[in-house]
Amino acid sequence: DIQMTQTPSSMPASLGERVTISCRASQGISNYLNWYQQKPDGTIKPLIYYTSNLQSGVPSRFSGSGSGTDYSLTISSLEPEDFAMYYCQQYDSSPWTFGGGTKLELK
Amino acid sequence: QVKLLQSGAALVKPGDSVKMSCKASGYTFTDYIIHWVKQSHGKSLEWIGYINPYSGGTNYNEKFKSKATLTVDKSSSTAYMEFSRLTSEDSAIYYCARDYSGDYWGQGVMVTVSS
Repeated sequence: DIQMTQTPSSMPASLGERVTISCRASQGISNYLNWYQQKPDGTIKPLIYYTSNLQSGVPSRFSGSGSGTDYSLTISSLEPEDFAMYYCQQYDSSPWTFGGGTKLELK
Repeated sequence: QVKLLQSGAALVKPGDSVKMSCKASGYTFTDYIIHWVKQSHGKSLEWIGYINPYSGGTNYNEKFKSKATLTVDKSSSTAYMEFSRLTSEDSAIYYCARDYSGDYWGQGVMVTVSS
């Protein structure tokens, strides 16, 4: 199985700050990488698909990049609603696997 | 608009089975795969598998192959997941989601296994 290592596991940050979350795959995943946001009530919101494509309705302050084994999610200027859990997920090969998550917290 | 509406929470006894549903609306059901994801309390997400509603073809995570059965009812645009021989380890929230891109998710179903 492909292991997805997400860093950091938690990140204190301030409103307006630019933050980057990283995701490293144990082998190349050919850009088949999605990003999700999960709120404390359990609601999962898709953010990015295929490394860098914004899902419909997602604000442009979110962006994704990467290739090979290394991928990242960047939020250019944090808004109050962005403080949540974030997960990466590869779908290059079965079983699809998720990163361990990053908790973005208000500093 | 696209919606995936999941069935309600379930309290089941160890050794029993549970069947949960994911009703799709707002798009052509057979055009997109439906996949299922498990989230144990306080943990990350685990992919269970997906089903192609058009063909009925499935792809399971080996870990869940003897535990989960994925089916669809095209007439009602509903996907189902049955989890069998339940143990406390199966207590979790289960989500359905659409497409390889994961562009829409259900609200999740909490399953509690307890005697």
